[in-house]
Amino acid sequence: EPEVTQTPSHQVTQMGQEVILRCVPISNHLYFYWYRQILGQKVEFLVSFYNNEISEKSEIFDDQFSVERPDGSNFTLKIRSTKLEDSAMYFCASSDLRQASSYEQYFGPGTRLTVT
Amino acid sequence: RKEVEQDPGPFNVPEGATVAFNCTYSNSASQSFFWYRQDCRKEPKLLMSVYSSGNEDGRFTAQLNRASQYISLLIRDSKLSDSATYLCVVPRGGSARQLTFGSGTQLTVLP
Repeated sequence: EPEVTQTPSHQVTQMGQEVILRCVPISNHLYFYWYRQILGQKVEFLVSFYNNEISEKSEIFDDQFSVERPDGSNFTLKIRSTKLEDSAMYFCASSDLRQASSYEQYFGPGTRLTVT
Repeated sequence: RKEVEQDPGPFNVPEGATVAFNCTYSNSASQSFFWYRQDCRKEPKLLMSVYSSGNEDGRFTAQLNRASQYISLLIRDSKLSDSATYLCVVPRGGSARQLTFGSGTQLTVLP
């Protein structure tokens, strides 16, 4: 069964450093997403991406965040200058959206980001 | 009303019990609804999708009441492996792309 993969599983970085989180969505999916979950809190939407551009973004997704699809398989989230409050689990998801059942989003295993 | 609101739990039930979780949502334009399960420190995994009045998959039944903006999840004959947090998920606005998650209901099935 196809699945979303993410690397690394855990990233530790110092405040102010840049990090890049990587995702490989399910291969025939067209929409890609990033969500985050701060420990003990809800899963929160960050951004959706379609046809090489941002489709929607939340108020959390400010200028320090950016997304990119550098090639035909990878989808990345960059945090330019990390803050302590960026510590969270970051989930990548993808969906097809070409058929009736395809509003469903499938999540990767996540990258745990720890900012020290 | 909050965008998505769930019973906070925790629910502790014996194996074999039937348990039901409730969820209310505020966006009357939503057309699709989802239940995900999340194990501790893992990703949300899609459990059920609801596009009409309800859906049934084995021991799991989801029901939708659009007039009351209410979704439920019923688990029959609960197993130890059903222990997890159950997340009620509703797309924001008319878009299917931005999911809004509830806080989750924690279920522990006891031997």
